[in-house]
Amino acid sequence: GAGVSQSPSNKVTEKGKDVELRCDPISGHTALYWYRQSLGQGLEFLIYFQGNSAPDKSGLPSDRFSAERTGGSVSTLTIQRTQQEDSAVYLCASSLEARGNEQFFGPGTRLTVL
Amino acid sequence: DAKTTQPNSMESNEEEPVHLPCNHSTISGTDYIHWYRQLPSQGPEYVIHGLTSNVNNRMASLAIAEDRKSSTLILHRATLRDAAVYYCILRGGTYSGAGSYQLTFGKGTKLSVIP
Repeated sequence: GAGVSQSPSNKVTEKGKDVELRCDPISGHTALYWYRQSLGQGLEFLIYFQGNSAPDKSGLPSDRFSAERTGGSVSTLTIQRTQQEDSAVYLCASSLEARGNEQFFGPGTRLTVL
Repeated sequence: DAKTTQPNSMESNEEEPVHLPCNHSTISGTDYIHWYRQLPSQGPEYVIHGLTSNVNNRMASLAIAEDRKSSTLILHRATLRDAAVYYCILRGGTYSGAGSYQLTFGKGTKLSVIP
């Protein structure tokens, strides 16, 4: 079956612009996570969705970052007024349930802010 | 979160076994030991996980020390496709609520496989 997909694969934007990144999790997976990976760094947790529960936003670095998950499936991560330090690979992962042992990652979206 | 310590890099010859170490001296009794790997330009990929007993799957084996303060990921025959960054991650078995489910990645071990 299909894995986690993300779009776009690459996004180049100018400082100050807003961007939207999309994640399609594996069908039936109730838990969805967003991470980001800056150049040469490990992955940094951003936000987590589980079913209809309120999302855990504790990893979002600033109020310029927001995310939503519609219908318990597709998720969109929005970055407003992008800054150069937002440049990173943004990764989405899903798991069968919140306590699922295995997280399945998408290929990521590489964001470059000029 | 309990912390893990891994070597920054390791090398292996192709077709040879590889032992990737991980120290986690502050592990709690309910922490599971997870391993993920990240191939170049790809998202992380689950490898294996365990609690106390050694574990085997089609990708690798996980050997856990009796005191659980260290573990070793074993690739039985390294191939060029195994060249990746390997992450050892502790994941709490007792969840305190939202926010306890994310994976906390360190720097990992970059494995190079020599043909």
